[in-house]
Amino acid sequence: GNSVTQMEGPVTLSEEAFLTINCTYTATGYPSLFWYVQYPGEGLQLLLKATKADDKGSNKGFEATYRKETTSFHLEKGSVQVSDSAVYFCALSNNDMRFGAGTRLTVKP
Amino acid sequence: KAGVTQTPRYLIKTRGQQVTLSCSPISGHRSVSWYQQTPGQGLQFLFEYFSETQRNKGNFPGRFSGRQFSNSRSEMNVSTLELGDSALYLCASSEQSHKRGGGDEQFFGPGTRLTVL
Repeated sequence: GNSVTQMEGPVTLSEEAFLTINCTYTATGYPSLFWYVQYPGEGLQLLLKATKADDKGSNKGFEATYRKETTSFHLEKGSVQVSDSAVYFCALSNNDMRFGAGTRLTVKP
Repeated sequence: KAGVTQTPRYLIKTRGQQVTLSCSPISGHRSVSWYQQTPGQGLQFLFEYFSETQRNKGNFPGRFSGRQFSNSRSEMNVSTLELGDSALYLCASSEQSHKRGGGDEQFFGPGTRLTVL
């Protein structure tokens, strides 16, 4: 079946630090992959997505590359800001939607 | 375009009662999915409705049910509430069903926080 394994954290970084949140998946066929972000008291928002192997999704300085050979979709940002503090979810769509456990990121000034 | 709306935002019930939650998707979206979010289990898929038909169902007991109306609005019902049903229930809409092959962005509502006492 489909599943997503995500680095759980929590992750605490200083402003301008480099961020990596690891995500690997299990799926048959060719799933679409997503990163969603959840700010306090809100629902999830799509951050970026990739629909086929080697696609790179990017948005707001975040990026992730769909690696079929390693079944991974790691999220990266070169320089985080305090406003990036949130919970990040890796997800896949392949007949149904599966989400990772979420990674809480706190960025300190 | 208005976003996904969920009502009520907060709900307190007691064990054994039943509850109905409502979700209005973005105009033009025919797929509505429901999720349960808890600190211990994370985000778990409940079911998806597309054009009034249940397309997919997660691994939840039969106490959890849903339906979708012709205007794509959806309701989910939980009967015989248990303490463990306390959670944030999220609704998400998209243009197409996941069954179609994925790739469509889901737009989430703010959720309904259900507390069972």
